[in-house]
Amino acid sequence: EAGVTQSPTHLIKTRGQQATLRCSPISGHTSVYWYQQALGLGLQFLLWYDEGEERNRGNFPPRFSGRQFPNYSSELNVNALELEDSALYLCASSLRSSGRAQYFGPGTRLTVL
Amino acid sequence: SQQGEEDPQALSIQEGENATMNCSYKTSINNLQWYRQNSGRGLVHLILIRSNEREKHSGRLRVTLDTSKKSSSLLITASRAADTASYFCATAAPYNTDKLIFGTGTRLQVFP
Repeated sequence: EAGVTQSPTHLIKTRGQQATLRCSPISGHTSVYWYQQALGLGLQFLLWYDEGEERNRGNFPPRFSGRQFPNYSSELNVNALELEDSALYLCASSLRSSGRAQYFGPGTRLTVL
Repeated sequence: SQQGEEDPQALSIQEGENATMNCSYKTSINNLQWYRQNSGRGLVHLILIRSNEREKHSGRLRVTLDTSKKSSSLLITASRAADTASYFCATAAPYNTDKLIFGTGTRLQVFP
């Protein structure tokens, strides 16, 4: 069974640009989560999507947004990039049920110059 | 914001020794999960323990949970060089179970 996949592996952008990160969940999983792991800040919850809807978001500005497609894959968009957006962005998926384990992808490393 | 504090921040041991990591958290939980991360890559789910459980085992891993002290521990027995990684605890609140709050992590180095 294939795990969570993310693309691209690395992404380099300049300040003010937009970044799009993609995630494909484990087959059968309907929930997708996004986390940011920035140096010195640890792992921070960003967004949760389930059945195509945004269900919860962390303490991030609106320029962090995303969507979930009918096949449950997801995109994370970061607009007006700032230097401090440089981080490892991790996607996870789980079955739609409360208190389930989340399974993570390898991440996309975003560097903002 | 970080829910959990992990202790120690770093741990170095020899192969064959046991490694114990501790996690403390602040608010009530539905469950607590432990993850491993190798060198800035994706997280690997290790074990999930629910708030009504006190101990759980998986292979060489043993997790305990003390909700009265708001703490958990992860024990890795007979460690191997391949166990070298960062270990994180993550908590899920009772009414917000899909939002994991991660601890600060313990960096484990196992020397051959």
